[in-house]
Amino acid sequence: EPEVTQTPSHQVTQMGQEVILRCVPISNHLYFYWYRQILGQKVEFLVSFYNNEISEKSEIFDDQFSVERPDGSNFTLKIRSTKLEDSAMYFCASSVGTENEKLFFGSGTQLSVL
Amino acid sequence: QKEVEQNSGPLSVPEGAIASLNCTYSDRVSQSFFWYRQYSGKSPELIMSIYSNGDKEDGRFTAQLNKASQYVSLLIRDSQPSDSATYLCAVNGPNSGYALNFGKGTSLLVTP
Repeated sequence: EPEVTQTPSHQVTQMGQEVILRCVPISNHLYFYWYRQILGQKVEFLVSFYNNEISEKSEIFDDQFSVERPDGSNFTLKIRSTKLEDSAMYFCASSVGTENEKLFFGSGTQLSVL
Repeated sequence: QKEVEQNSGPLSVPEGAIASLNCTYSDRVSQSFFWYRQYSGKSPELIMSIYSNGDKEDGRFTAQLNKASQYVSLLIRDSQPSDSATYLCAVNGPNSGYALNFGKGTSLLVTP
């Protein structure tokens, strides 16, 4: 069964450093997402991406965040200057379409900012 | 901020019983409703989707939607210990740009 793949599974970084989280969405999916979940809290939407551009973003997704689809398979989330409060599990997801379409989540990257 | 509310639990039911999980949402124009299961330390896994009022059954799971009351529920029949997880209600619609808005989840414990 096709799945969304995320690397690395764990990332430890120092405050102020840049991190790049990587995702390979399901191959025939057209919409890509990043969500995050701080420990003990709800899953929060960060950004959606379609046709090589951001389609929606939340208030969390400020200038420190960026996304890119550098080739036909990878989808990345970059945090330019990490803060302690960026520590969370980051989930990539993809879907065939939007609106009523179902999201498939990757296994996540646990980011720890020290 | 449009909200999706769930009782955090834990909801404890004996094996073989029916577990009933509830969710309310505040955005009246929400269109799509999803139940995800999340095991501890794992990613959300879709188990049910529902788009129109009424019931939708899939195996041991039944989702119920009442748009007038802004209420969606999930029933799990013949609960098994392996059903023990956190169940996340998620809602989307035009006001969210179709991004999923999740509730905090209800923790379910099925005891043998």
